[in-house]
Amino acid sequence: GQQLNQSPQSMFIQEGEDVSMNCTSSSIFNTWLWYKQDPGEGPVLLIALYKAGELTSNGRLTAQFGTTRKDSFLNISASIPSDVGIYFCAVRLSGTYKYIFGTGTRLKVLA
Amino acid sequence: NAGVTQTPKFQVLKTGQSMTLQCAQDMNHEYMSWYRQDPGMGLRLIHYSVGAGITDQGEVPNGYNVSRSTTEDFPLRLLSAAPSQTSVYFCASRKGRVNQPQHFGDGTRLSIL
Repeated sequence: GQQLNQSPQSMFIQEGEDVSMNCTSSSIFNTWLWYKQDPGEGPVLLIALYKAGELTSNGRLTAQFGTTRKDSFLNISASIPSDVGIYFCAVRLSGTYKYIFGTGTRLKVLA
Repeated sequence: NAGVTQTPKFQVLKTGQSMTLQCAQDMNHEYMSWYRQDPGMGLRLIHYSVGAGITDQGEVPNGYNVSRSTTEDFPLRLLSAAPSQTSVYFCASRKGRVNQPQHFGDGTRLSIL
């Protein structure tokens, strides 16, 4: 089946540092999404990308839809302790109502 | 402002028992879906529905049944629970138009002994 590969799998960073993570696929997708999941809760949508090359920001978060439509990147600037959680990328399968999710990047912020 | 509500939050079952996980949304969303989340595997789609009376299989449908008799509710049934179904289950909903974001519930943590 189709897979989304997220890297890194986990990361420890110091408070105030910038964070970068990415999501790649061997297939082309036209919708890329980034979610954050806090412990004990469901995922919450952070950013949605609908156009190749698109760069979208949400506060300290910035995400880009790769020009090849096979990848996406999420950056967090000046991290804070509440950024801790698991970040998932997701794509919508073209022509369907189905979404597939990556395996997640677990972020831990050291104060 | 309830959004997507899942019940129960926790459940322990014995192998072979049956159970229904409840999901309700109050946003009049056409599209609802069930995912399971296992360590290191992200979320995998079990079943989904694009409206009342319409359901379809996702990536991992075996061992689960669904029905959609109303717009608001989308229950997930385990007819004969197996240890491999130990997981965290999430329900999600969204408006039917393409490119509308999904809203997730807080999950049901299910253990099968």
